[in-house]
Amino acid sequence: GAGVSQSPRYKVAKRGQDVALRCDPISGHVSLFWYQQALGQGPEFLTYFQNEAQLDKSGLPSDRFFAERPEGSVSTLKIQRTQQEDSAVYLCASSDGVSFFGYTFGSGTRLTVV
Amino acid sequence: AQSVTQLDSQVPVFEEAPVELRCNYSSSVSVYLFWYVQYPNQGLQLLLKYLSGSTLVESINGFEAEFNKSQTSFHLRKPSVHISDTAEYFCAVSASNQGGKLIFGQGTELSVKP
Repeated sequence: GAGVSQSPRYKVAKRGQDVALRCDPISGHVSLFWYQQALGQGPEFLTYFQNEAQLDKSGLPSDRFFAERPEGSVSTLKIQRTQQEDSAVYLCASSDGVSFFGYTFGSGTRLTVV
Repeated sequence: AQSVTQLDSQVPVFEEAPVELRCNYSSSVSVYLFWYVQYPNQGLQLLLKYLSGSTLVESINGFEAEFNKSQTSFHLRKPSVHISDTAEYFCAVSASNQGGKLIFGQGTELSVKP
């Protein structure tokens, strides 16, 4: 596609509910990143894929967070048993993996846990 | 590990005045440097980047930033701002051996007043 597409755009979840956030990267982009942006803060790195391989998950805040990219294209970020502190905008970015060419962010999913 | 400090959380300025948004970083390895802009309710857009070569980089809308290795800074400047420049600005770094993982500063809110 022409850009990075994220869905849903907004998600309200009750505390304890599981959620799944989807990212469709730019076609052909091998690298995919997830970031978490809390209100009034800069984005914070969560995890990184190169094709289907998850090469870095050092930013995932707890074992309730899980990300996958099984076919090296679409990625899903799953949060189990959501808590209020999970409320944030979740951003996805993709690039061709070569010197930041085409590194592009999606518009994000705003998650509100009530 | 890398870190980024944006020295001003808010910068109010009058239209047509010059502005400087300050960014300092720390890293034990060579880095790439970026400025992103985020307009209200929109995603992150790349404003400019330094990967190598000339230390002065420019954007298409009149912003420029200079990489200063000795002072570990990458300040963003514009000689004359417009109302439409009102937005949140984020400085980011990526270590050359980190596969594209970005570390962001906390952001600077630029508010341009008529």
